[in-house]
Amino acid sequence: KNEVEQSPQNLTAQEGEFITINCSYSVGISALHWLQQHPGGGIVSLFMLSSGKKKHGRLIATINIQEKHSSLHITASHPRDSAVYICAVRSWSGGSNYKLTFGKGTLLTVNP
Amino acid sequence: NAGVTQTPKFQVLKTGQSMTLQCAQDMNHNSMYWYRQDPGMGLRLIYYSASEGTTDKGEVPNGYNVSRLNKREFSLRLESAAPSQTSVYFCASSDLYSYGYTFGSGTRLTVV
Repeated sequence: KNEVEQSPQNLTAQEGEFITINCSYSVGISALHWLQQHPGGGIVSLFMLSSGKKKHGRLIATINIQEKHSSLHITASHPRDSAVYICAVRSWSGGSNYKLTFGKGTLLTVNP
Repeated sequence: NAGVTQTPKFQVLKTGQSMTLQCAQDMNHNSMYWYRQDPGMGLRLIYYSASEGTTDKGEVPNGYNVSRLNKREFSLRLESAAPSQTSVYFCASSDLYSYGYTFGSGTRLTVV
């Protein structure tokens, strides 16, 4: 079982719909990241969470540390939101080192 | 703009050729990383450098070498490229205390 599981793998929505992408992890973490990658593009950090909830524009990220679960919500989705969304967790890897473990990503397509 | 700069953006190599991927960051981050991204898989860590003067193997180091030239620069070398190294490579940097990560725009490498 992967340390970081995302669902769904693929998601198609109509413009204006409310989107939820889920991330579950199995290790103790110090932080969780949500990343965005447009087709053929670089990776952009959207959020970094260690507890609670963060909001930026139409994007909301939540985390439940006890349940080892995070969600990324997009309100009023738009075609420009079409991208791969990646969940990554930061965990201790020994000594003073930490590692980032990535989910496989969720491909979101928003149709006009 | 501050960030992580990777070169080249695209490269085609013949099997057995060598090349070096360059990465530089101007955010004064201590830690730098090289990842590869393959279809259907999450990003996987090749090598990382927790601080200037140190480098360590990640999850998939075989066939690669790295050099942390100074605090800003971290290069990845393929000594004898193989088709299995066809991938998209991302460099990233992070600050130990803020937990934030910044990614480069990626290098799309094809080995024929």
